[in-house]
Amino acid sequence: DAKTTQPTSMDCAEGRAANLPCNHSTISGNEYVYWYRQIHSQGPQYIIHGLKNNETNEMASLIITEDRKSSTLILPHATLRDTAVYYCIVRVGTGGFKTIFGAGTRLFVKA
Amino acid sequence: DTEVTQTPKHLVMGMTNKKSLKCEQHMGHRAMYWYKQKAKKPPELMFVYSYEKLSINESVPSRFSPECPNSSLLNLHLHALQPEDSALYLCASSQVGPHRGSEKLFFGSGTQLSVL
Repeated sequence: DAKTTQPTSMDCAEGRAANLPCNHSTISGNEYVYWYRQIHSQGPQYIIHGLKNNETNEMASLIITEDRKSSTLILPHATLRDTAVYYCIVRVGTGGFKTIFGAGTRLFVKA
Repeated sequence: DTEVTQTPKHLVMGMTNKKSLKCEQHMGHRAMYWYKQKAKKPPELMFVYSYEKLSINESVPSRFSPECPNSSLLNLHLHALQPEDSALYLCASSQVGPHRGSEKLFFGSGTQLSVL
């Protein structure tokens, strides 16, 4: 699976959009970008995933660059409950079971 | 039901003890996973079962013994552990197959293990 690079930590004001970047310059054509988050003392939670197109669900939006070498997770209106570690993962979308977590980005949402 | 249930939530054991961690899901998922997470580190993949057969073993020491007795249950048997094995043990499940999004993982809350 392709390796990802994320900032170690980020701050965001409550109510503002949180934009979390991820670099995956060695991504292959059949590899998806997945985002998970982990709130303290809980198991990771799936947020969103995509292959080429931008994606949106009730939790977040995922913007993938045209060359697929980087992506951005957007939390449109961050709340204090969004404080967590956010993991960007690249993996084969079908038949591959290896979901390998990198170091992630620690997001602090401040009042 | 979209839950993965892990028991116990906390476990303290001595280095000579034998204990088991249990994981259960009723989402019809046919892939189940064990991860180990040390404090302030990302989860590390240990084992993957697919259709009740061991699919991936990430070179885990034999003192950790996984078992998948049926499609809903996953156990991790522990024997002769070391203090450095103290960690949060996470179970996850996912669908298997070619459908888009089928491999998104659902995690339990974990078992916090302390080895004395």
